Amino acid sequence: EAGVTQFPSHSVIEKGQTVTLRCDPISGHDNLYWYRRVMGKEIKFLLHFVKESKQDESGMPNNRFLAERTGGTYSTLKVQPAELEDSGVYFCASSQGTSGTHYEQYFGPGTRLTVT
Amino acid sequence: GQSLEQPSEVTAVEGAIVQINCTYQTSGFYGLSWYQQHDGGAPTFLSYNGLDGLEETGRFSSFLSRSDSYGYLLLQELQMKDSASYFCAVRGDDKIIFGKGTRLHILP
Repeated sequence: EAGVTQFPSHSVIEKGQTVTLRCDPISGHDNLYWYRRVMGKEIKFLLHFVKESKQDESGMPNNRFLAERTGGTYSTLKVQPAELEDSGVYFCASSQGTSGTHYEQYFGPGTRLTVT
Repeated sequence: GQSLEQPSEVTAVEGAIVQINCTYQTSGFYGLSWYQQHDGGAPTFLSYNGLDGLEETGRFSSFLSRSDSYGYLLLQELQMKDSASYFCAVRGDDKIIFGKGTRLHILP
C-alpha cells in the first residue's frame, strides 16, 4: 500500500512569490490534514479535510493560505504571496474513518519550504 | 487555552528504560497519541490511549490518566535507532494539538 506522498520535497522561493504544495493521501482515507513545523517548534495544525469538505481550518494563519481538496482525493496548499515567516516543513497526514479516528495518522515526508 | 507540555530533551543509555511525560490542557479530550520523528523524516504513529491505563506495543508502552491529564511513553531496551524526537498529541474538541516534542539522546 502506498503511503502519503507530498510534492515537492523542497521549495525555495522569494518573498512575494506563490507556491503550491501537493499531498496525495493513502487511498481510501477520508481524513486529510495539513501541518507545519517551524525549526525546533511544535507541529502546528493548519486544517483538516473530511473528503472534499473543510472540517476545521482554524489553524490556517491568514488568508494568504488556501487549501483545496477537489474530489476528495489529493489536496493542494497554496501560499500567495509568500512571506519569510512561512518558511518551515509542511506535513500532510491522512487517516481512515469519518467519525473521528484521528489518532492514527499517517504522515507524508513533508515539503521543506524556504522563503528568502 | 489548550496546551501540551513535554520535556524538551531526555538522555538515556543504550539498553536502559526511559519515560517521556506529557501533560495536557484541552477543551474536551478524545485521546492521546504518540509519534516518533527521526531527523529529516516524517512523524510516524507509535501508540494511542483513549482510556486510562497502559497500552503495550513491543518495546514501547504508553500510559494515560485522564483524571490527571497526564500520559507517558515508556521505551524499553533502548537501541541507538530510538534516537529521535517524540511527540505527544491530543485530540480535543477543536483539533489535534501536538506537543513541542522531546528529543531523545541515547548514549552507547
